[in-house]
Amino acid sequence: EDQVTQSPEALRLQEGESSSLNCSYTVSGLRGLFWYRQDPGKGPEFLFTLYSAGEEKEKERLKATLTKKESFLHITAPKPEDSATYLCAVQAWGGSNYKLTFGKGTLLTVNP
Amino acid sequence: NAGVTQTPKFQVLKTGQSMTLQCAQDMNHEYMSWYRQDPGMGLRLIHYSVGAGITDQGEVPNGYNVSRSTTEDFPLRLLSAAPSQTSVYFCASSETSGGVGAKNIQYFGAGTRLSVL
Repeated sequence: EDQVTQSPEALRLQEGESSSLNCSYTVSGLRGLFWYRQDPGKGPEFLFTLYSAGEEKEKERLKATLTKKESFLHITAPKPEDSATYLCAVQAWGGSNYKLTFGKGTLLTVNP
Repeated sequence: NAGVTQTPKFQVLKTGQSMTLQCAQDMNHEYMSWYRQDPGMGLRLIHYSVGAGITDQGEVPNGYNVSRSTTEDFPLRLLSAAPSQTSVYFCASSETSGGVGAKNIQYFGAGTRLSVL
């Protein structure tokens, strides 16, 4: 069974204090790993998708990396508007439902 | 470009009532799905569809029905609501269901917050 574990559950940073969120996964065959951002009362907003170990993607202050067992979401010099819950999900090859298996998320709070 | 639109945003039901959660997408996406999000748990797949006229069960399908008569719409029906169905429901869509790449990215609606008393 595919599993995704995110850590920490919650992270509080000062504005400008860089850090990383972790997503550990087990999957029979990785079709893709997805990062989403979710604001309170909103739906998940797509950030990145990674497909193979060693791949990296960047968007503004965010950078996602992938190994064979985990992914990191690095946040450089965060701002208060980066506060949100960050969700990691994997999609496996095989099967017919193309489902995303989600972790429970990391709640990031960036204080000014 | 509206993307994925869900209605209503909020709903309160009494146990045993029925209702339909609406989901519409304007991106001509082939794949659509319903997830529920509960506190302390990741989003879980309820039902999905790989095209008009084709639906199937996800990991938590009990108590829910779906149909897909058009590419755009994928309604979720609760036939007899139970308190265990209190949750936030999200509809998602992607351009395709197979393969790899940008066409496989699932985009989510804003959600329907359902309380069953």
